[in-house]
Amino acid sequence: EIKMTQSPATVSGSPGERVTLSCRASQTVANSLAWYQQKPGQAPRVLIYGASTRATGIPARFSGSGSGTEFTLTISSLQSEDFAVYYCQEYNNWPSLTFGGGTKVEIK
Amino acid sequence: QLQLQESGPGLVKPSETLSVTCTVSGGSISSPDYYWGWIRQTPGKGPQWIGSIYFSGRAHYNPSLKSRLIISIDRSKNQFSLRLTSVTAADSALYYCARQSEVEIDNWGQGTLVTVSS
Repeated sequence: EIKMTQSPATVSGSPGERVTLSCRASQTVANSLAWYQQKPGQAPRVLIYGASTRATGIPARFSGSGSGTEFTLTISSLQSEDFAVYYCQEYNNWPSLTFGGGTKVEIK
Repeated sequence: QLQLQESGPGLVKPSETLSVTCTVSGGSISSPDYYWGWIRQTPGKGPQWIGSIYFSGRAHYNPSLKSRLIISIDRSKNQFSLRLTSVTAADSALYYCARQSEVEIDNWGQGTLVTVSS
């Protein structure tokens, strides 16, 4: 079973700042990695799939990188609507999925 | 516009069976392009994939739940369902149904809260 570990648990940033979130897989998942954003009271929303492809309608300030076991989500310039919890999720053995524990992006 | 809506019991007693149904509208559950999945989440934790089913009825289950789990599909009603037996307090969660493409979960229900308690 693949385990996904996200770090840090919480990151603080000011509007306009750049933040980087990390995700590590316990074994290689190639580029079968997606990132989701979740706001309170809402279901998660996909941001990135294939490690680096933005989903439909996702702003260019969100970018993903990495392959194998190490992945990164970068928000280039934080906006007020970006304060949320972010999850990585692997789908290397689709339709089986594994999510990480999440990183909360909060206002500094 | 595709919509998914969960319907569940709200409260289930320990050792009993949890049943939740997802009704899909605005699209066909018989599409060959997607799996239909169940995902649950407890406060402050990451989502947990429960299992998924294809329109043909082929199902995949989380190994940690497989012995207690059945996911079924009713194409005539555009619904799919989850049955989890012998529940404990650890099964209390917000249960989501969702549509899975090969690369993303692109549609989610709003979730239904299930509490296991006597």
